[in-house]
Amino acid sequence: KAGVTQTPRYLIKTRGQQVTLSCSPISGHRSVSWYQQTPGQGLQFLFEYFSETQRNKGNFPGRFSGRQFSNSRSEMNVSTLELGDSALYLCASQRQGSSYNEQFFGPGTRLTVL
Amino acid sequence: DAKTTQPPSMDCAEGRAANLPCNHSTISGNEYVYWYRQIHSQGPQYIIHGLKNNETNEMASLIITEDRKSSTLILPHATLRDTAVYYCIVSGAGGTSYGKLTFGQGTILTVHP
Repeated sequence: KAGVTQTPRYLIKTRGQQVTLSCSPISGHRSVSWYQQTPGQGLQFLFEYFSETQRNKGNFPGRFSGRQFSNSRSEMNVSTLELGDSALYLCASQRQGSSYNEQFFGPGTRLTVL
Repeated sequence: DAKTTQPPSMDCAEGRAANLPCNHSTISGNEYVYWYRQIHSQGPQYIIHGLKNNETNEMASLIITEDRKSSTLILPHATLRDTAVYYCIVSGAGGTSYGKLTFGQGTILTVHP
């Protein structure tokens, strides 16, 4: 079974631009979570989607948004990029109906903001 | 979610057991203990989880104390490929815990030849 895939793997943007990252979950998984990883703050939860609905959200500004499609694929968008948004963005999927958080992570998208 | 405390780093000789401790003294009755690891430049990998009983799978064993205030992850025969950051996470099921893992700083485990 194919794992979680994320595209693109690397991205370079300049301040003020916006960016869209994509995540394809494991087949049959309907929950997708997004995380930001930086050297200073570590791994931080952004949001989680299930059946096209955002069920949970972390403490990030409104510039960070996401969505999920009917095939469970998910995208996250960051508008008006800041230097501090440079990070590894990870998505993770888990099975529908799972009562616990066994998440499967993708390799991440490395975003650099210049 | 309850806060966890882990040593920043540990060393282990290849072939020996690696025992990684975690304190979670404020854990609630319905919260699980999870262990994940992150090998350099990769996404985190699920290892094991438990509620109150000891658990074992093909990767590791999880020992949870009777009062559930601490736990130990055991890698029975560590290899060089087990060198990684290990995260102990406490999380509930459902509600505000949907899809959310709260990662701390973790323990950097270095396995030496």
